[in-house]
Amino acid sequence: DTGVSQDPRHKITKRGQNVTFRCDPISEHNRLYWYRQTLGQGPEFLTYFQNEAQLEKSRLLSDRFSAERPKGSFSTLEIQRTEQGDSAMYLCASSSGTGLETQYFGPGTRLLVL
Amino acid sequence: AQKVTQAQTEISVVEKEDVTLDCVYETRDTTYYLFWYKQPPSGELVFLIRRNSFDEQNEISGRYSWNFQKSTSSFNFTITASQVVDSAVYFCALSEGVNSGYALNFGKGTSLLVTP
Repeated sequence: DTGVSQDPRHKITKRGQNVTFRCDPISEHNRLYWYRQTLGQGPEFLTYFQNEAQLEKSRLLSDRFSAERPKGSFSTLEIQRTEQGDSAMYLCASSSGTGLETQYFGPGTRLLVL
Repeated sequence: AQKVTQAQTEISVVEKEDVTLDCVYETRDTTYYLFWYKQPPSGELVFLIRRNSFDEQNEISGRYSWNFQKSTSSFNFTITASQVVDSAVYFCALSEGVNSGYALNFGKGTSLLVTP
């Protein structure tokens, strides 16, 4: 499978716990994006990386959120002290080139905070 | 402000009917890209088409066709002879390039149900 993969696919956690999600982009895609999608809404941009550099962060990305892409390959998104409002689908996408290329999405990680 | 508007929240059609999903966008940039994605019940967003702002030529791919009109800031999607497998949520998205960090601005989606 050469598509974008995400792990885990589902995560249930209790409020206040920390969670970490992983995204593996399409091989050799230099750009990686994180989005969040809540029920009945379109995905909303969180942040993106070009290689290992995090170049843009949305105002949606509060201080409890942190993302890394240490070697310019896979990326992790960590949410600290989770809140019920963090319950959503977290989508990862990757693209190649200058940034205007098509973004290809992974299957997402569905987070439920109890 | 919402940059992409998909006014149709839900559409229900009977198989073999044609259906058009509307998308209206807002941007001040002269260079931008428009996209359509399909999200089936499994949840994964599937890329359908990408169109740049300088190419207003309509496109047809099998049963799918897209009508891009800059004059009305619209990028509508038509499915001809719909099938049950077309049932999904369809999203229109706008990328304004460097001005938006290359992020995709999505509409709220149109849920299409095709019944036998």
